[in-house]
Amino acid sequence: DGGITQSPKYLFRKEGQNVTLSCEQNLNHDAMYWYRQDPGQGLRLIYYSQIVNDFQKGDIAEGYSVSREKKESFPLTVTSAQKNPTAFYLCASSIRSGFNTGELFFGEGSRLTVL
Amino acid sequence: GQQVMQIPQYQHVQEGEDFTTYCNSSTTLSNIQWYKQRPGGHPVFLIQLVKSGEVKKQKRLTFQFGEAKKNSSLHITATQTTDVGTYFCAGRSVDTDKLIFGTGTRLQVFP
Repeated sequence: DGGITQSPKYLFRKEGQNVTLSCEQNLNHDAMYWYRQDPGQGLRLIYYSQIVNDFQKGDIAEGYSVSREKKESFPLTVTSAQKNPTAFYLCASSIRSGFNTGELFFGEGSRLTVL
Repeated sequence: GQQVMQIPQYQHVQEGEDFTTYCNSSTTLSNIQWYKQRPGGHPVFLIQLVKSGEVKKQKRLTFQFGEAKKNSSLHITATQTTDVGTYFCAGRSVDTDKLIFGTGTRLQVFP
């Protein structure tokens, strides 16, 4: 079955530690995205990538880093510089980016809690 | 910067009642998408509207894109308990080409 797989589903981290969230897609989509969701708020864009080896900052990129070495994979690292990292993180993909993007396909999310 | 607001933030209805959520953008949109997120789940795409004044229907759901392409609405007729969840609009700005998600409307349906 085609789709997006995020792991881990739940993650606990101590303050000062970096953590990497995995996102893999087998939909052959060019574009991939990372969103952050906080209770009662909409989705905020952290980073996005339109093609392999290229990515751009979203609206809240500070304290996060990404890589896009393969088309299928777009891991997100939450660094110790992120001041309030506890949140629900959603990875998404689309066939392409821009006006003719079509729908976003989301993974099931990773819930990060900083202790 | 571009903002996309949704109202109401929460809505509780009795099963069988109608429900409407409104989405308003501070800038003109090239298109708008709607997503549904069940409790504990991830957003799932419902529909995309592109044309000014466009109206699309999916069974009990009616989606509308405003004439000025700055607002949109989702109307559910005769709600069911399966409609429970948070409904998000996501508008793509004509100026920046960015897709901005609205704040969402959480719908609770009482049997």
